Amino acid sequence: QKEVEQNSGPLSVPEGAIASLNCTYSDRGSQSFFWYRQYSGKSPELIMSIYSNGDKEDGRFTAQLNKASQYVSLLIRDSQPSDSATYLCAVRGTSYDKVIFGPGTSLSVIP
Amino acid sequence: DVKVTQSSRYLVKRTGEKVFLECVQDMDHENMFWYRQDPGLGLRLIYFSYDVKMKEKGDIPEGYSVSREKKERFSLILESASTNQTSMYLCASSDWDSGANVLTFGAGSRLTVL
Repeated sequence: QKEVEQNSGPLSVPEGAIASLNCTYSDRGSQSFFWYRQYSGKSPELIMSIYSNGDKEDGRFTAQLNKASQYVSLLIRDSQPSDSATYLCAVRGTSYDKVIFGPGTSLSVIP
Repeated sequence: DVKVTQSSRYLVKRTGEKVFLECVQDMDHENMFWYRQDPGLGLRLIYFSYDVKMKEKGDIPEGYSVSREKKERFSLILESASTNQTSMYLCASSDWDSGANVLTFGAGSRLTVL
């Protein structure tokens, strides 16, 4: 079992819709959870971090964490073409400060 | 503006060559990381370092070594490059103080081994 898994995608949504990205992780002791966005040819950049169960909202983005289910998600409301990118889920486990990434989900927002 | 700088954006090397990838950060971060990114596989951790002269293996350390002689610099070394090491290499850093381990990435080094 991979340590961090994401829905495989690619995911296509129309402009203005809600995009839902999902991630599961295997290390039950994981402490911190991140969503990075990566545009084609660019490096990943942090868009959200979440550390406790529940929802965390930042503008059009909402991260949701359920540690019991070992599940973290990212919702993008009012999706824009500029949101088209690969979204990487990352998890900080219990071993030092090792951060493990999922394979990423490619999102296309269709105008 | 904080920065992680990778010395080479593109490199082309031959099989068997020794390859050095350099990474420098100006944020006084304790932690530094080397990942490789391949299509469909995401970012895979090669090595990381949480202090000068300290290093820890990541998930795919085989064929690689690292060096951290100064806090700001973390080097990735391919002792004898092979074609399966053709990849995008990303360096990142983070600090202890934030407690969150948010990574700041460099622009990446695309290595092609012929």
